[in-house]
Parts: sequence; C-alpha cells; structure tokens
Amino acid sequence: GAVVSQHPSWVICKSGTSVKIECRSLDFQATTMFWYRQFPKQSLMLMATSNEGSKATYEQGVEKDKFLINHASLTLSTLTVTSAHPEDSSFYICSARGRGYEQYFGPGTRLTVT
Amino acid sequence: AQKVTQAQTEISVVEKEDVTLDCVYETRDTTYYLFWYKQPPSGELVFLIRRNSFDEQNEISGRYSWNFQKSTSSFNFTITASQVVDSAVYFCALSEVSSGTASKLTFGTGTRLQVTL
Repeated sequence: GAVVSQHPSWVICKSGTSVKIECRSLDFQATTMFWYRQFPKQSLMLMATSNEGSKATYEQGVEKDKFLINHASLTLSTLTVTSAHPEDSSFYICSARGRGYEQYFGPGTRLTVT
Repeated sequence: AQKVTQAQTEISVVEKEDVTLDCVYETRDTTYYLFWYKQPPSGELVFLIRRNSFDEQNEISGRYSWNFQKSTSSFNFTITASQVVDSAVYFCALSEVSSGTASKLTFGTGTRLQVTL
C-alpha cells in the first residue's frame, strides 16, 4: 500500500509554455501533499505544502504565481509551471501524507525546458 | 531553524567493505523524526528508516544499521558488506513536530555512494 504516482515521468516543453504535473495517492487519502524540486546532484528542496481544499503554503523564495499548486481532492495534487524557462528545468518530486506521519514519495517528474 | 548536515559528498568503496554515512542535525524541538532515504539513479526515493527523538535504540535491518546519538545530534547509517546495488545517493532528513507545521522534511545534501567490484 501507500503508493504515490506522478504523471508525466518526464516532459520536454518549449520556453514560455506551461506544463502541469500530477501527483496521485493511489491507495490512500492524502490530506497533505508536498512538492519538492531537485537540481542535478543536489538535495531536495521543499517548494510548497498543499492541504486538500485550501491554498498551498509556499516556501520562501518560491514564486507562487509561477508554480501553481492545486489540491482539489484527497488523492490528487497538481503543480503547474507557468511560462517555463530553461532555469525551471529540474526534477520535481511530490510526496503525500495520509492520516499517519509518514510521507510517501512519488517517482518524480523530469522537466526539461528548451 | 532545522538543519541537516551530511559532510561526506561522495564515498567510494570496494564491494564487501563496510561503509558509514554520517548525518548531523540541528533542531530546537525536543520532538522530531529522523529519516534515511536512498535515491538510486532512477531518481525515486526509497524510504529506509524513520526514528523518533525519544527512541535512541540502534536498529539493524539486514546489512543496514543505524546509530542514533542525541548527545552528538547524529544519526549515522552503516552498510555492512556493501554491494554494487548499494550504489546510490543517500539522504538524511529531519522533521520537526511543532504545532502549525505539517511534517515538513528538511533534507541533507546527500552522500553519493559508489560501490565497485
């Protein structure tokens, strides 16, 4: 149990376009989901925390108008990178937390902006 | 603010050697959780262990063992008889249990382990 999926697993988009990444908890209800970004050979940096039905809480330095997060249901959160630029190219990872304390991570989405 | 330090950036060992990955943390909370994750080249994070701040017992799971010492704020991870499949980046992480937070994880910078034949 406790499986989290992400879609797509990789995406290439042109500069200036927007791309949406989905994070789904497949076999549990996730009251809280987290979005992380990881640059090559670096650590995971928390971008934002989203709770179902409420606005996401962004970490300092993360542009909320650029990285739109929606947590519309207990099993789905989406991250939309708007007007993507090459510097947004990164590995985006989501995690989901159910009733317990554990966070379950998705497999990640590799975004390349050309 | 919480902080996790993994001073070893890269470690290279020969198969069957034992290797210890260091993790030092900082927190003002008395209640917190510590984690280790493995990230193979595929990128997916693999959960290895969670330890709460009140449980200082060392743990062994197969070839893996963890040494938690609150006195030195360390949570070190040892792989015994390393294997090539252990090659990955290993992250130590900390989560404070404070009111108003939602189990945010702070990750260390990771240690890249390379096990060769």
